[in-house]
Amino acid sequence: GAVVSQHPSRVICKSGTSVKIECRSLDFQATTMFWYRQFPKQSLMLMATSNEGSKATYEQGVEKDKFLINHASLTLSTLTVTSAHPEDSSFYICSAEPRAIATDTQYFGPGTRLTVL
Amino acid sequence: GESVGLHLPTLSVQEGDNSIINCAYSNSASDYFIWYKQESGKGPQFIIDIRSNMDKRQGQRVTVLLNKTVKHLSLQIAATQPGDSAVYFCAENNQAAGNKLTFGGGTRVLVKP
Repeated sequence: GAVVSQHPSRVICKSGTSVKIECRSLDFQATTMFWYRQFPKQSLMLMATSNEGSKATYEQGVEKDKFLINHASLTLSTLTVTSAHPEDSSFYICSAEPRAIATDTQYFGPGTRLTVL
Repeated sequence: GESVGLHLPTLSVQEGDNSIINCAYSNSASDYFIWYKQESGKGPQFIIDIRSNMDKRQGQRVTVLLNKTVKHLSLQIAATQPGDSAVYFCAENNQAAGNKLTFGGGTRVLVKP
């Protein structure tokens, strides 16, 4: 149980284009999902907290107009990297917090490797 | 700002030996700590967690120790196996701050056959 998927697993795009990454909780509902970015050989850095039915909360230094987050349902959150540039190339990982059970545990997706040419 | 850090970036261990990974945290308000394992190209995988009202918790082949006095967390892996080779991250959580995780820098564990 508690499986989180991401799609796509890998994407290559041209500079200036937008890329959408999906995060789904497959067997549970998640009121809250989190988006992280991880550069090579570095740790995970929280970008934003996504709450179903409300606006996302962004961490300091993360541009909300560049990284658009939509949490339209209890099982799906999307991250859109708008006007992507090579410096946006990174590993993007989402996590989800189960709604039904009293736990602080976040379950992580497999990540999406974004390469911007 | 608040941070979680690690002392050793890389740990080489002989197969069958025990591994100890250390982590220091700075936010005394953190009340929940988690160890994650991350293999190359994959997302973090939950290993074990511990709450601030405990100082030790055991799982299958893993033990987490929490020393709140010195803000130190450790992960012990017994009888390390080749499949344990990965990067290990500690993370701290402050429920009052919205359940957000702050990750440490990571330690790579290399298991030698």
